[in-house]
Amino acid sequence: EVQLVESGGGLVQPGGSLRLSCAASGFTFNDYAMHWVRQAPGKGLEWVAGVSWNSNTIDYADSVKGRFSVSRDNAKKSLYLHLSSLRPEDTALYYCAKDRGAYFQNFDYWGQGTLVTVSA
Amino acid sequence: EIVLTQSPATLSLSPGEGATLSCRASHSIANFLAWYQQKLGQAPRLLIYDVSKRATGVPARFSGSGSETDFTLTISSLEPEDFAVYYCQQRSRWPITFGQGTRLEIK
Repeated sequence: EVQLVESGGGLVQPGGSLRLSCAASGFTFNDYAMHWVRQAPGKGLEWVAGVSWNSNTIDYADSVKGRFSVSRDNAKKSLYLHLSSLRPEDTALYYCAKDRGAYFQNFDYWGQGTLVTVSA
Repeated sequence: EIVLTQSPATLSLSPGEGATLSCRASHSIANFLAWYQQKLGQAPRLLIYDVSKRATGVPARFSGSGSETDFTLTISSLEPEDFAVYYCQQRSRWPITFGQGTRLEIK
């Protein structure tokens, strides 16, 4: 059974930093691209960042480029997102999502999310 | 950026009825369109990818169609568990984008 478990969310002040983690199990982690997708309270879905199976391809949404950094550790079957220079508009539930393929396609499994709140 | 516009914003129907949800892309995205279902308090679930391919475990009452800029998700006969928010998503051009969602509610 595929499982994705996010952690690391919390309350942080504007301008602060946070590191999110996603622990994966139930599939061959290093065969698939992985992503972070966020959802602000009461709003829709926004793709944030993605990393290919071998980390050779990494992309970000314009809204987070230069502030967020995605990485993966295939040996630890883990995905990470480092968030910095946080803004109130970054407040959201952050989902870890498995791609259907090795590069960027669709998201066939999702975690339950970790909540990031940016507020003074 | 490819903008996906979903319509209607809200659809009110009764169990047993059929539902038709639309997604229009601002530019051609060929067949690189997917649909997700999100129930209240849950993570999204992949229903359809590449316009018309059902994901694992998705019932046959869900079907997708369309091409280029106009796409449709059809639910042939609504079950009580189908009432949720539905999102379309494109992977044709960076960045990956989602539509704003269609809320399917019980009439």
